[in-house]
Amino acid sequence: AQKITQTQPGMFVQEKEAVTLDCTYDTSDQSYGLFWYKQPSSGEMIFLIYQGSYDEQNATEGRYSLNFQKARKSANLVISASQLGDSAMYFCAMKSGYALNFGKGTSLLVTP
Amino acid sequence: DSGVTQTPKHLITATGQRVTLRCSPRSGDLSVYWYQQSLDQGLQFLIQYYNGEERAKGNILERFSAQQFPDLHSELNLSSLELGDSALYFCASRPDREVTDTQYFGPGTRLTVL
Repeated sequence: AQKITQTQPGMFVQEKEAVTLDCTYDTSDQSYGLFWYKQPSSGEMIFLIYQGSYDEQNATEGRYSLNFQKARKSANLVISASQLGDSAMYFCAMKSGYALNFGKGTSLLVTP
Repeated sequence: DSGVTQTPKHLITATGQRVTLRCSPRSGDLSVYWYQQSLDQGLQFLIQYYNGEERAKGNILERFSAQQFPDLHSELNLSSLELGDSALYFCASRPDREVTDTQYFGPGTRLTVL
């Protein structure tokens, strides 16, 4: 069975600094996809970035990048130049059959 | 804005009651997914519909049911509600032709069972 592990329940970062949110996964599939979502306090789930297992380059979307290390089965999210609006829960997810299997999330607080 | 709409935004009801949550997917998306987010269970997949047909089932209780209508909107019906059903219920949709299989989530319906 697929499993997503996010070991950091909470993280702090100062505004304008970079922060890395950890995600490790376990799967026996050769082809898979990894996703990161952001959930602000308002509750909605916002798609941030996707990494396919066969993608040769690490995914980037603006200030978000994914540090994908396939051999270590890790897909860490890097947020550069943190902003106060980045304070939120962040979820790592993997496609499992037809659905998404989510980790427990990391709460990020950006301080001035 | 993901383009997925959900109504109502908040719902407060009593144990034993029945409620219906509604979701409209993004324009052109045939797939609709329902997820439940609770404090103890985290985010869990409930059920998926594709173009009106049930495609996959997750941890959905027998008291819960869903359907997708010809106009592609979907409804999640929760009956004989218990306190433990209090949660945030999300609907998501997925474009057919997108290689990444990314799911786009609606704003959620927060259900409180008293």
